[in-house]
Amino acid sequence: TAGITQAPTSQILAAGRSMTLRCTQDMRHNAMYWYRQDLGLGLRLIHYSNTAGTTGKGEVPDGYSVSRANTDDFPLTLASAVPSQTSVYFCASSDSKDYTDTQYFGPGTRLTVL
Amino acid sequence: GQNIDQPTEMTATEGAIVQINCTYQTSGFNGLFWYQQHAGEAPTFLSYNVLDGLEEKGRFSSFLSRSKGYSYLLLKELQMKDSASYLCAVLGSNYQLIWGAGTKLIIKP
Repeated sequence: TAGITQAPTSQILAAGRSMTLRCTQDMRHNAMYWYRQDLGLGLRLIHYSNTAGTTGKGEVPDGYSVSRANTDDFPLTLASAVPSQTSVYFCASSDSKDYTDTQYFGPGTRLTVL
Repeated sequence: GQNIDQPTEMTATEGAIVQINCTYQTSGFNGLFWYQQHAGEAPTFLSYNVLDGLEEKGRFSSFLSRSKGYSYLLLKELQMKDSASYLCAVLGSNYQLIWGAGTKLIIKP
């Protein structure tokens, strides 16, 4: 199985432009997450979705929006990118039927905002 | 506040044993995870502890003491492919993961 896929793999974006990072999972997991990972910092949660049709804010939601129209897809949109959004973005999913709530990660998108 | 502490970097020798420590202060506790992350790749799940004690899985073991807010990951018979960052994360009261910054493990021949 593919697990979780993310697109694009990497992107250079001009400040002020908008962009959508795509995330798709084929494991039928109900929960999905977006994290950013910056050097020297732990993964930080941007937004999450516990089930299709619902979303919630994580630790660092400002400047980002998400939607969860169906179980499989969880896109992350930057409406007007700023250089501080330069980071590696990971999408993850978990199954609430799994008592450990283990999260499984996509390969990541490396975003550079200039 | 909530905090997860782990050493920034450790060095060990191929074939040896290394212990990576993690201490945490969180509002609520619903389990502790260890993930492995090779450079440029995604984190991958290694272990989960929710009760005190040692969980062994092949060359890797993870220990938890909830009263001390402490965990360690023990790697035995180190191989070069074990060179990676090891991330400690706690599932807090809101069932969101709180992540440490990771420990970069360097294995030398």
